[in-house]
Amino acid sequence: DTAVSQTPKYLVTQMGNDKSIKCEQNLGHDTMYWYKQDSKKFLKIMFSYNNKELIINETVPNRFSPKSPDKAHLNLHINSLELGDSAVYFCASSQGYSGGALVWNEQFFGPGTRLTVL
Amino acid sequence: AQKVTQAQTEISVVEKEDVTLDCVYETRDTTYYLFWYKQPPSGELVFLIRRNSFDEQNEISGRYSWNFQKSTSSFNFTITASQVVDSAVYFCALSANYGQNFVFGPGTRLSVLP
Repeated sequence: DTAVSQTPKYLVTQMGNDKSIKCEQNLGHDTMYWYKQDSKKFLKIMFSYNNKELIINETVPNRFSPKSPDKAHLNLHINSLELGDSAVYFCASSQGYSGGALVWNEQFFGPGTRLTVL
Repeated sequence: AQKVTQAQTEISVVEKEDVTLDCVYETRDTTYYLFWYKQPPSGELVFLIRRNSFDEQNEISGRYSWNFQKSTSSFNFTITASQVVDSAVYFCALSANYGQNFVFGPGTRLSVLP
């Protein structure tokens, strides 16, 4: 049973296209995240959602739009893809929110989606 | 601003050697969390440990141990009697500002040779 799953695993597309990456967790967690890892292995958090509410929105282009239909899903939609968007995108989840602050408990990561923009 | 530095880009050791991965962080917050993650060649990310800023107790888990020193803003990770399966990229990370900021270090690639 996969805890955090992402689809697709690989995504190859042309510049200018719009694409989505889906993420689902079956751990009952209340917080989900998107991370980007570039070709030099640098990891950067992009977004975090708690109970379908956006709580972290790092400086990413507004071509990236997360959507959380329910707390088990956090999808990432990317408009007008650019060459620089090529990277591995990781989804993660945790039991993360308590009281007035985000509590960074153990995060479980999906297997990653390798996006290649040609 | 938050920052995490992992000065060692790559380390190579021979199996059974001990190895320490350095992590130095910067933050003005008094409440923060520090983390270590492992990324083996297969690419998945594995959470290893979380430590909050009020708990300076060192932690040991099997062959892994962590040394947190607020005085030097360091959170170093030691693998004792390394094994080939420890070969991976290891990331140190910092969460501050009540969780609103989260930043990774650049990673240290560890190669354990047989």
